[in-house]
Amino acid sequence: EAGVAQSPRYKIIEKRQSVAFWCNPISGHATLYWYQQILGQGPKLLIQFQNNGVVDDSQLPKDRFSAERLKGVDSTLKIQPAKLEDSAVYLCASSPRGATDYGYTFGSGTRLTVV
Amino acid sequence: DAKTTQPNSMESNEEEPVHLPCNHSTISGTDYIHWYRQLPSQGPEYVIHGLTSNVNNRMASLAIAEDRKSSTLILHRATLRDAAVYYCILRYDSGNTPLVFGKGTRLSVIA
Repeated sequence: EAGVAQSPRYKIIEKRQSVAFWCNPISGHATLYWYQQILGQGPKLLIQFQNNGVVDDSQLPKDRFSAERLKGVDSTLKIQPAKLEDSAVYLCASSPRGATDYGYTFGSGTRLTVV
Repeated sequence: DAKTTQPNSMESNEEEPVHLPCNHSTISGTDYIHWYRQLPSQGPEYVIHGLTSNVNNRMASLAIAEDRKSSTLILHRATLRDAAVYYCILRYDSGNTPLVFGKGTRLSVIA
């Protein structure tokens, strides 16, 4: 089974610029998550989708971050405008709906550096 | 969210067993204990999970205390490829409950 695909793998931008990340989850996985991982810390949930609906976006900084999941498959996460503190790895994960038995599958992430 | 406490780091010799502890004294009856690990430059990967009984799979074993206030992830023979950050996570018995990560334990394996 193919894993969770993310692109780009690395991105360097200047502050106040915009950036977008793309995620393609495992086929058939209804639930998709975006996490932010700052160096030295564990991943922090930004947003959770169930099919194409948002389940939890309470920790998403909505003044600058946005995310969508079109047709319940691929997802994009956008930052506009970026700040220095947004430098982090952005991880996408997916799981089958209602899965407590099989866990999440994570992508390798996108490393964002804001200069 | 219920909290877990793990040592910041541990070290092991290659081919020896490793016992990674996790304390979760405020665990509720419906919290599952999940373990994930994160290899360098990779996303986290699922290792094992359990509720009350000890669990074994091809990657590791999970030993859960009788009162469920602590658990131990056991790697039976550490290899260099097991060097990673290991996260112990409590997850409410719901398929839609997201994983909440702490800082985890950084395991170093010495050849």
